[in-house]
Parts: sequence; structure tokens; C-alpha cells
Amino acid sequence: KAGVTQTPRYLIKTRGQQVTLSCSPISGHRSVSWYQQTPGQGLQFLFEYFSETQRNKGNFPGRFSGRQFSNSRSEMNVSTLELGDSALYLCASSLVGGPTETQYFGPGTRLLVL
Amino acid sequence: AQSVTQPDIHITVSEGASLELRCNYSYGATPYLFWYVQSPGQGLQLLLKYFSGDTLVQGIKGFEAEFKRSQSSFNLRKPSVHWSDAAEYFCAVGILNTGNQFYFGTGTSLTVIP
Repeated sequence: KAGVTQTPRYLIKTRGQQVTLSCSPISGHRSVSWYQQTPGQGLQFLFEYFSETQRNKGNFPGRFSGRQFSNSRSEMNVSTLELGDSALYLCASSLVGGPTETQYFGPGTRLLVL
Repeated sequence: AQSVTQPDIHITVSEGASLELRCNYSYGATPYLFWYVQSPGQGLQLLLKYFSGDTLVQGIKGFEAEFKRSQSSFNLRKPSVHWSDAAEYFCAVGILNTGNQFYFGTGTSLTVIP
């Protein structure tokens, strides 16, 4: 089985722009979670999608949004980029979600905001 | 509020020496605990997890972890470190909720010297 894939792997944007990141989960996985990873902050949970619905949300401003398509692929969008949004954005998938399931992580998209 | 603390930002050990990485959590109910490893340029890989039962859990790559409820700890150990173990290690707690909601520590960076 192919693993979790994320595109693009690297992005450079300027302040004020918006960006869309994509995540394709493992085939058959319906839960997709997004995390922001920064030095010193570790991984912070952004949100989780299941069956095209946002099921859980972390403590991030409304500039961060996402969606999930019927094939379970997910996108996250960050509008009005700020310098502090520079980070590694990780996507993880699991079968149906829940604390007992193993999450499988993609390699991440590294976003640099100038 | 839930939180995960990894007190050691960086640890250096000699190859062949034993290793212990510390993790403390704050969570009101029985936690679901995880250790992940992240190699440079890679996503996170699950090392081991604890849900219930035997408090000493075995994982991949020769790692083990012990859950101590009285100390709210879930420390990761390995008897003999290999150079390939150099990576970033993350402890995480999953909360009992609909879907995925995980809290990660800030990570411990492991350097292995020959």
C-alpha cells in the first residue's frame, strides 16, 4: 500500500498570500488529521476530517481551514499568511480515527513565509 | 487541560549505551499514550503505544516504554543505542473523543556519538 502523500513538499510564499496544501491518505483510510510542527512548539493539532466533515479542531485562528473530498483526500488552506506560519505541516491518516488507532504520517509540506 | 512535557530538549549518548527519554502527561482520564520517531526529512513513525493492561510495552526497533500512573509518566527506553537511532522523538497523548485529537510533546532530539 502506498503511504500518505503530501504535495507540494516545499513552498515559499510572502506575507499576505494564501496557500493550499494537499494530503492523500492511505487507501481505505477515512480520517485525516493536520498538524503544524515548529521548533520549540512541537506538533500542534490543527483539525481532523472524517467523511468530508470536520470532526475535531485545534486552537488555531480562522485563517486556517480545511476540507475533505469524497475520496478522503484533504486540503488545508491558510489565508493571509504571516511570518509565524512558517512551519512543517504534517498530515496523518487512519482508518476511522480515534485514540486507539495508529496514525500514519506523511513526509510533510515545508512552508516558508517571507 | 491536556498537556505533554518532554523535559529534555536534546540528549547525546554513545553508541551501545542505554537510553531513557522522559515524558510526562497531564490528562484527567486514562490516557492513550504513544511514542513516535521522526528522522530528518521524514514524517513520524509510531514506535509503540499504550492503552491498557501491562504497563511495560514493547515497540519496534528494540524500544520499550513503561507507563507509571502515579508519576504520570511514559518514559521510553532502549538498552543499547545504535547510530541509526539518531532522530527526534515525540511523546503524545490521545484523548477519548470522537475521532482524532492528539497532544504532542515538543520532542527530544537524540544524537548518537560513536
